[in-house]
Amino acid sequence: DAGVTQSPTHLIKTRGQQVTLRCSPKSGHDTVSWYQQALGQGPQFIFQYYEEEERQRGNFPDRFSGHQFPNYSSELNVNALLLGDSALYLCASSFPPGSYNEQFFGPGTRLTVL
Amino acid sequence: AQRVTQPEKLLSVFKGAPVELKCNYSYSGSPELFWYVQYSRQRLQLLLRHISRESIKGFTADLNKGETSFHLKKPFAQEEDSAMYYCALRKTSYDKVIFGPGTSLSVIP
Repeated sequence: DAGVTQSPTHLIKTRGQQVTLRCSPKSGHDTVSWYQQALGQGPQFIFQYYEEEERQRGNFPDRFSGHQFPNYSSELNVNALLLGDSALYLCASSFPPGSYNEQFFGPGTRLTVL
Repeated sequence: AQRVTQPEKLLSVFKGAPVELKCNYSYSGSPELFWYVQYSRQRLQLLLRHISRESIKGFTADLNKGETSFHLKKPFAQEEDSAMYYCALRKTSYDKVIFGPGTSLSVIP
């Protein structure tokens, strides 16, 4: 099991563009959470997907949206990119909320907005 | 709102010395508390959680509800402990995980 995988590894975009990041969860996990980690800060929760629905959302604008597919993989979409969106985006997978659900993190996607 | 603070951005200790990484939280209830670690060029991973009351790699963490603290301790630091450490909180297992800003631990040989 490769664990949680994310693609791409790095991405460079310009302001106003749109970006899609992808995540495949650890085998057996069906819950995916996304985090934004700006330089020098801890990860900030964006949202969580379970059973193809957004279950929880952090304090992020609607420009940030997501999707979960039947195979539990997930996408994070960011529209109208701003310079401040430059960060490491982490995906974490786990068993459903309510269980002894340790989160396993992926390596992250480094997004740079110019 | 829940919040996690880690007052030290950087902490340097000599090998063999005791180490304590501080974590304070703000939440009126009884949260789940975690320590995550990120070694150089590795992904973020769970180190320990307070409900397990376990020692991992010689590290322990005690939850002090009166002081709302969850400090991470190890009696004798090793060079391989050098890493970024994040304290994190979750209200219940249904809720989002809130991370602190992290402390970079450097163990000097």
